[in-house]
Amino acid sequence: QKEVEQNSGPLSVPEGAIASLNCTYSDRGSQSFFWYRQYSGKSPELIMSIYSNGDKEDGRFTAQLNKASQYVSLLIRDSQPSDSATYLCAVITNRDDKIIFGKGTRLHILP
Amino acid sequence: DAGVIQSPRHEVTEMGQEVTLRCKPISGHNSLFWYRQTMMRGLELLIYFNNNVPIDDSGMPEDRFSAKMPNASFSTLKIQPSEPRDSAVYFCASIADRGSNTGELFFGEGSRLTVL
Repeated sequence: QKEVEQNSGPLSVPEGAIASLNCTYSDRGSQSFFWYRQYSGKSPELIMSIYSNGDKEDGRFTAQLNKASQYVSLLIRDSQPSDSATYLCAVITNRDDKIIFGKGTRLHILP
Repeated sequence: DAGVIQSPRHEVTEMGQEVTLRCKPISGHNSLFWYRQTMMRGLELLIYFNNNVPIDDSGMPEDRFSAKMPNASFSTLKIQPSEPRDSAVYFCASIADRGSNTGELFFGEGSRLTVL
């Protein structure tokens, strides 16, 4: 099992709808979780971090964490064409304190 | 304030040649990471340094790869000899305070390597 897993997509969502991105991780003791956005040809940039079970909201973005299920998600409300990008889930592993990324989910917002 | 600076941005070389990628982290950041990104394997951690000391190099694919950080403002990733399967985008990233566990990596723009 890979340490951080994501559906590669592409995930196509109509403009204005909610985009839901999911991620699972294997190291049960991990405590820190992140979502990065990467536009084509650019470098990743951090958009959300979450450390506790539950929801964390920042503008149109909501991160959700369920440590018991080893599951992290990102919701994007009122999706805009500018949200079209690859979204990378990252985890700081408890085992060896490394920042490990999933392969990313390509999101395409349909105008 | 300048971000993470990488050079070269693009490199095309022939198999067997030595490749050196360079990185200048953000001033004051105490940890530096080298990642490699390909379509097939995603963003893979190669090695990371904390206070200029290599902490974990288990991601370095083989002995052809080596990395150094001689001081707080400079790091290199060297591939010798290079092979076509090394073709990828290599990212350098730094973090302000590894101990805080914030995980906010600041990435350079990447070095796109093509080995023919």
